[in-house]
Amino acid sequence: AQSVTQLGSHVSVSEGALVLLRCNYSSSVPPYLFWYVQYPNQGLQLLLKYTSAATLVKGINGFEAEFKKSETSFHLTKPSAHMSDAAEYFCAVSDRVRGGSQGNLIFGKGTKLSVKP
Amino acid sequence: DTEVTQTPKHLVMGMTNKKSLKCEQHMGHRAMYWYKQKAKKPPELMFVYSYEKLSINESVPSRFSPECPNSSLLNLHLHALQPEDSALYLCASSQGGQKGNTIYFGEGSWLTVV
Repeated sequence: AQSVTQLGSHVSVSEGALVLLRCNYSSSVPPYLFWYVQYPNQGLQLLLKYTSAATLVKGINGFEAEFKKSETSFHLTKPSAHMSDAAEYFCAVSDRVRGGSQGNLIFGKGTKLSVKP
Repeated sequence: DTEVTQTPKHLVMGMTNKKSLKCEQHMGHRAMYWYKQKAKKPPELMFVYSYEKLSINESVPSRFSPECPNSSLLNLHLHALQPEDSALYLCASSQGGQKGNTIYFGEGSWLTVV
């Protein structure tokens, strides 16, 4: 079974500082990896997706993530944090539903990002 | 803006009520999902329809009943719920439902069971 682990349930940065949210995956096959963001009282919005086409993936809102097979990592970064980046961030890996052929997302526990003025 | 639309946004229901959550997508996707998300937890899959084939998370109680009238619409029928069922219910869709397809989420329906 595939899984993801997010290190740090809460990360706090100052506005303008580097954002680094950590995600490690466990997969016996090349994974499909995702980062989603959830703003307060909203649904999940796709930030970016890794599909093996390129190890450095650029997403929306200035975020990017680098796939490192040797480290089984897919960390999310942004060079300069903005107040509007404050949200919950979920790393996820695609897997098949048990007993079926449909795809499903297996989420990490999430990391709450706080941005201080 | 999400292209997966959920109604209602908020629902309060008693334990003896029957209600439904509705979801619609206009992206031409052939797979639709229901996820449940409790506070400070990640979403968990409840059901997925892909090309009209249903897969059920075996841990979901029978008081939740999905219905997929066509590939654009997805309902979740609720009956005899318990207070612990209070949560955010997220509808989602993907192009074909295969592993690796991107899953797009709606804004969610907040359910409170009293």
